[in-house]
Amino acid sequence: GESVGLHLPTLSVQEGDNSIINCAYSNSASDYFIWYKQESGKGPQFIIDIRSNMDKRQGQRVTVLLNKTVKHLSLQIAATQPGDSAVYFCAENMEGGADGLTFGKGTHLIIQP
Amino acid sequence: KAGVTQTPRYLIKTRGQQVTLSCSPISGHRSVSWYQQTPGQGLQFLFEYFSETQRNKGNFPGRFSGRQFSNSRSEMNVSTLELGDSALYLCASSLEGVVSSSHNEQFFGPGTRLTVL
Repeated sequence: GESVGLHLPTLSVQEGDNSIINCAYSNSASDYFIWYKQESGKGPQFIIDIRSNMDKRQGQRVTVLLNKTVKHLSLQIAATQPGDSAVYFCAENMEGGADGLTFGKGTHLIIQP
Repeated sequence: KAGVTQTPRYLIKTRGQQVTLSCSPISGHRSVSWYQQTPGQGLQFLFEYFSETQRNKGNFPGRFSGRQFSNSRSEMNVSTLELGDSALYLCASSLEGVVSSSHNEQFFGPGTRLTVL
């Protein structure tokens, strides 16, 4: 059959503002979560990860929040820059799981000058 | 140190043909995973190789296969190509693999863009 194109959610923010990208994960048994950034023509690039025994983890300009109760993950980017324009994916993995990483559909972050 | 390299970067094939894609992991990395990325399905896990053995496999038909060599370089093969196999095929390497207690970070290559006509 005909494949349907994936309509990525889009988040448009002003340069310098903070960005919050959300992700709902599917497997309550997942214990490890990762955010990736993918720029046009490139493979995904690791941003930050978090284990299920944590609620929050901070990196350079980025913070990941994990809410296991509602199976929700978010990525906060502080002081968004033009170079942050990309598609952002969350990924989940289960300890000992045999399915590799399970990726979300992605969010396209657009930075407006 | 050099990142993950994939060859070729672009490939055009016709239905029914077969194709082999190559991935060279970061030096010292023993785990290589393959993913398919399409607009319709997003990023999907194909399989993972570790020390020349397939350790994990995603939900893809048997037409998709792979192997890993003693130097950790990996190849994936798709036989009897279908139009729906058109995709970006990504390879990712890590020290021990994501499916491990230490959850090693995966580094992705730029991908091979396969077009099936």
